[in-house]
Amino acid sequence: EPEVTQTPSHQVTQMGQEVILRCVPISNHLYFYWYRQILGQKVEFLVSFYNNEISEKSEIFDDQFSVERPDGSNFTLKIRSTKLEDSAMYFCASAGGGRDEQYFGPGTRLTVT
Amino acid sequence: GENVEQHPSTLSVQEGDSAVIKCTYSDSASNYFPWYKQELGKGPQLIIDIRSNVGEKKDQRIAVTLNKTAKHFSLHITETQPEDSAVYFCAAKAGANNLFFGTGTRLTVIP
Repeated sequence: EPEVTQTPSHQVTQMGQEVILRCVPISNHLYFYWYRQILGQKVEFLVSFYNNEISEKSEIFDDQFSVERPDGSNFTLKIRSTKLEDSAMYFCASAGGGRDEQYFGPGTRLTVT
Repeated sequence: GENVEQHPSTLSVQEGDSAVIKCTYSDSASNYFPWYKQELGKGPQLIIDIRSNVGEKKDQRIAVTLNKTAKHFSLHITETQPEDSAVYFCAAKAGANNLFFGTGTRLTVIP
């Protein structure tokens, strides 16, 4: 069964450093998302991406964040200058043409020290 | 924006008993309501969903009900098994927008 994959599973970085989180969505999906989950809290929407552009973003997704689909398979989230409060699980999700059902990857645990 | 509330935050049941998790939403435009199961160290897994044009949907031991008038929906798990132990999240979505998640319910099934 096709699934969303994410790398790395765990990323430790120092405050102020740039990180890139990588995702490979399900191959025939058209809609891509990033969510985050701070430990013990609910999953929060960051950004959605369709047709090579951002379609929606939340207040969390400020100028420090960017997304890119550099080729036909990868979808990346970049945080330019990490802050302690960026520590969280980051989940990538994708959806097909019907776009309701979103399938999540296993997540990347980002720890900012 | 949408606000999804979920109760209870923790739920313990004996193996074989039923479990019910309830959610409410605020945006009457929401029309898609998925439920996700999250096991330790894994991403949320879509287990069942319901759209606003139906009131109930069932898939083997799990079922979801939706009351649009009251803006609430529930997950029902019957004949619970230890492998059902996980955190369950409800979510709501209006049209093409993103998902808004509830705060999660940690279900423990006691053998």
